Amino acid sequence: SQQGEEDPQALSIQEGENATMNCSYKTSINNLQWYRQNSGRGLVHLILIRSNEREKHSGRLRVTLDTSKKSSSLLITASRAADTASYFCATDGVGTTDSWGKFQFGAGTQVVVTP
Amino acid sequence: GAGVSQSPRYKVAKRGQDVALRCDPISGHVSLFWYQQALGQGPEFLTYFQNEAQLDKSGLPSDRFFAERPEGSVSTLKIQRTQQEDSAVYLCASRPGRSGNTIYFGEGSWLTVV
Repeated sequence: SQQGEEDPQALSIQEGENATMNCSYKTSINNLQWYRQNSGRGLVHLILIRSNEREKHSGRLRVTLDTSKKSSSLLITASRAADTASYFCATDGVGTTDSWGKFQFGAGTQVVVTP
Repeated sequence: GAGVSQSPRYKVAKRGQDVALRCDPISGHVSLFWYQQALGQGPEFLTYFQNEAQLDKSGLPSDRFFAERPEGSVSTLKIQRTQQEDSAVYLCASRPGRSGNTIYFGEGSWLTVV
């Protein structure tokens, strides 16, 4: 079973627009990460936000975390055609067996950026 | 190598056949993970190794799935008597230490069972 749920499932935007996607999860976490996956490829780590952080930036990426609502958002500003990919959130749950980092992924948001 | 390497990249197996998928993690990485990703879904955890020790195999879907990492580097995921529902991408990932957060994924092995 998957911990996170991304919303929307699919997003189509034009170059230059911002893309926002959300992730909700069910159990307490140590941290939350976002990954990108281009079609037919592996996952690439984008950004990590810890449970005691509320916002983090990396280049054109902005991630927020609201632990009270068990949700996170990923914003990609000034999107480019190369940003076309699926985006996944992954959580690292709190607990003895999960303490070494067994990540649980959501189903992903498919983003298409058209020139 | 520079990244996590998986082979074969693509495998078509007849139902009932055994398959073996190989993962070469980044050199020196202690932790190794296997994930299964069905079409249109996110990756699902299968198993975790710390060096040669398999510390968690709770995600293996059945006893037809077996993973090993005998010398603490290369790992093999074996699926016996493959079934159509085994069709998926099998992703391997590694991490430098025993804990920490960023794991590095390979390109995956695409398994199709016909």
